[in-house]
Amino acid sequence: DGGITQSPKYLFRKEGQNVTLSCEQNLNHDAMYWYRQDPGQGLRLIYYSQIVNDFQKGDIAEGYSVSREKKESFPLTVTSAQKNPTAFYLCASRPGRVTDTQYFGPGTRLTVL
Amino acid sequence: QKEVEQNSGPLSVPEGAIASLNCTYSDRGSQSFFWYRQYSGKSPELIMFIYSNGDKEDGRFTAQLNKASQYVSLLIRDSQPSDSATYLCAASIIQGAQKLVFGQGTRLTINP
Repeated sequence: DGGITQSPKYLFRKEGQNVTLSCEQNLNHDAMYWYRQDPGQGLRLIYYSQIVNDFQKGDIAEGYSVSREKKESFPLTVTSAQKNPTAFYLCASRPGRVTDTQYFGPGTRLTVL
Repeated sequence: QKEVEQNSGPLSVPEGAIASLNCTYSDRGSQSFFWYRQYSGKSPELIMFIYSNGDKEDGRFTAQLNKASQYVSLLIRDSQPSDSATYLCAASIIQGAQKLVFGQGTRLTINP
C-alpha cells in the first residue's frame, strides 16, 4: 500500500519530556510538512522540508525540532520547551512540483498529562 | 500576516439541498486554492483544488474562484448526511517552497 503513515496514533507525555512523532511516506514525494491543529482551528505549519538534509521553520517552530535524513522519513520531536503541546499533529507530503497538492497522514494526537 | 478566513459555522443544510461554503484570502500572491474535508478526529482529505478564475466541477462539488475579489467557494449539490464534516479552505503561497495557509474551517451539518 502506498501512503503516509504516522505513529503512534495516540501519545501521552509527561511535562518535561521530549517525544518524537514518526512520519513515513512511500509515495516518493519530495516535500514533507508538519502541522499542528488545535480544537476548532485550522492547521498551522511547524516545519517543512523540500529535500533530504534540508528543512525550514514554519510559523510556529519554537519548541519543536525535525530531521530529514531520508526522503521517506520526517520525524518531529516535541521538546520540553513547547509549553502547550497538547494538539493533533498532522504530517503531509507533496510531489516535486510546487503547484502539487499536499496529502495528509492519519495524524497523531498528543496529550500532556 | 497572510490570512485565510472562513465562517466557522455551524452551517446546517437539509438533505438534498445545496451547501455553500465560502472563503476569503488576503495575499494576492496566492496561486492555488484547496478544499479539504475533515471528519471529526480524522485527517483532512482533498476534495478539490482550483487555480484559474471561474468554476471547476467534479461530481457533486463545484469550486469557484474570483481572484479580483479574493474569494473562493465550494458548492455541494444534493447534500448527503455523509457530507457532514468540517471543510478547510487553504491558499497556496510560493516563496521558494510551497506553503499552505489554512482557514479555521467551516463545520457543515446535513440534516436528514
